[in-house]
Amino acid sequence: QQQVKQSPQSLIVQKGGIPIINCAYENTAFDYFPWYQQFPGKGPALLIAIRPDVSEKKEGRFTISFNKSAKQFSLHIMDSQPGDSATYFCAARRRDDKIIFGKGTRLHILP
Amino acid sequence: NAGVTQTPKFRVLKTGQSMTLLCAQDMNHEYMYWYRQDPGMGLRLIHYSVGEGTTAKGEVPDGYNVSRLKKQNFLLGLESAAPSQTSVYFCASRRSSGYYEQYFGPGTRLTVT
Repeated sequence: QQQVKQSPQSLIVQKGGIPIINCAYENTAFDYFPWYQQFPGKGPALLIAIRPDVSEKKEGRFTISFNKSAKQFSLHIMDSQPGDSATYFCAARRRDDKIIFGKGTRLHILP
Repeated sequence: NAGVTQTPKFRVLKTGQSMTLLCAQDMNHEYMYWYRQDPGMGLRLIHYSVGEGTTAKGEVPDGYNVSRLKKQNFLLGLESAAPSQTSVYFCASRRSSGYYEQYFGPGTRLTVT
């Protein structure tokens, strides 16, 4: 049962553009929402995370926007660079401590 | 610190063969996880452990067994491999409280023919 729905599946953006990846969740018991970045041949690595009592969090060029009432959250990458090309996973932590991952978005930034 | 390491990196098995994947972490983390990653499916939890000597089932446990005899190691076993177990397997670990970041290993690519 897919509890975190992620879109789009793939995304191509020109360098300097602002790719946006969206996620929606169904379970209101989630209490932590991380985003992971994965480069080809590597394991995922935590990029940025947010708790549901915060509507926005910025770390460098990466921003999470969180809409608790709509049960949606999104990742924005400002001034995107070819080095940002990777697969991005949103996720949500359940109260039983399990992390549920979205299916991933393959992002390609054109030089 | 090496972080989370996995062995082997690649393996090809024939249907019915068995193997064990080893995960090791040097961060003194209490929690450890095994995931599988398939195209278009994201990461799915197979088994996890909240401490030495304890294991629990995740989302897709069938066909796999695990053991956590030492805090730093988490083993994933396939007793009788099937083609449906062709996947990339990731191990992860994290501290037990305060901060939920999971640290992932580099993965093991397994092909079952």
